[in-house]
Amino acid sequence: DGGITQSPKYLFRKEGQNVTLSCEQNLNHDAMYWYRQDPGQGLRLIYYSQIVNDFQKGDIAEGYSVSREKKESFPLTVTSAQKNPTAFYLCASSPDREGSPLHFGNGTRLTVT
Amino acid sequence: AQKITQTQPGMFVQEKEAVTLDCTYDTSDPSYGLFWYKQPSSGEMIFLIYQGSYDQQNATEGRYSLNFQKARKSANLVISASQLGDSAMYFCAMREPGYSSASKIIFGSGTRLSIRP
Repeated sequence: DGGITQSPKYLFRKEGQNVTLSCEQNLNHDAMYWYRQDPGQGLRLIYYSQIVNDFQKGDIAEGYSVSREKKESFPLTVTSAQKNPTAFYLCASSPDREGSPLHFGNGTRLTVT
Repeated sequence: AQKITQTQPGMFVQEKEAVTLDCTYDTSDPSYGLFWYKQPSSGEMIFLIYQGSYDQQNATEGRYSLNFQKARKSANLVISASQLGDSAMYFCAMREPGYSSASKIIFGSGTRLSIRP
């Protein structure tokens, strides 16, 4: 079955450590996205990408970095510079055509203590 | 600048009643798309309905319909005959096409809908 896989589901890190969240899709979608969700709140856009080796900052990119070395993969690194990294992170992809919705992974819940 | 506003943090509705969830947006691009998603407590994101800025008719998908008022920049979701399983967070989202990059898709802050039996 085609879909988006985020791993792991739960991630625990100590403050000051960088951590990388995985996102892989086998839908052959061009566009990929990372969102952050805090409890009871909406999704905020971190980074997005249309093609390999190209990506754009979203509304809250500070303290995060991404890479897009393969079409299928869009890992997100939460750096030690991110002041409040504890959150639920959602990865999504889309064919990036009019009318095409985002397809989401099941998310990674990151806890930094 | 692109912006999505959902002004109802939470709503309670009696089962079988209809409910309207509000969404207003702002964009300077004449070509855009509007989406509604449902997020149950499990955290998954479920796509419900889509409306394009040039669509002449309001979108409908089963019990979901979108009340699109372009001049007022609103795209309210209407759920008819609500069911207990409709209890969830609901998000409005907007897509602006990226002319030299991927489309930027942003979300509102959400409305938590609770259905009373």
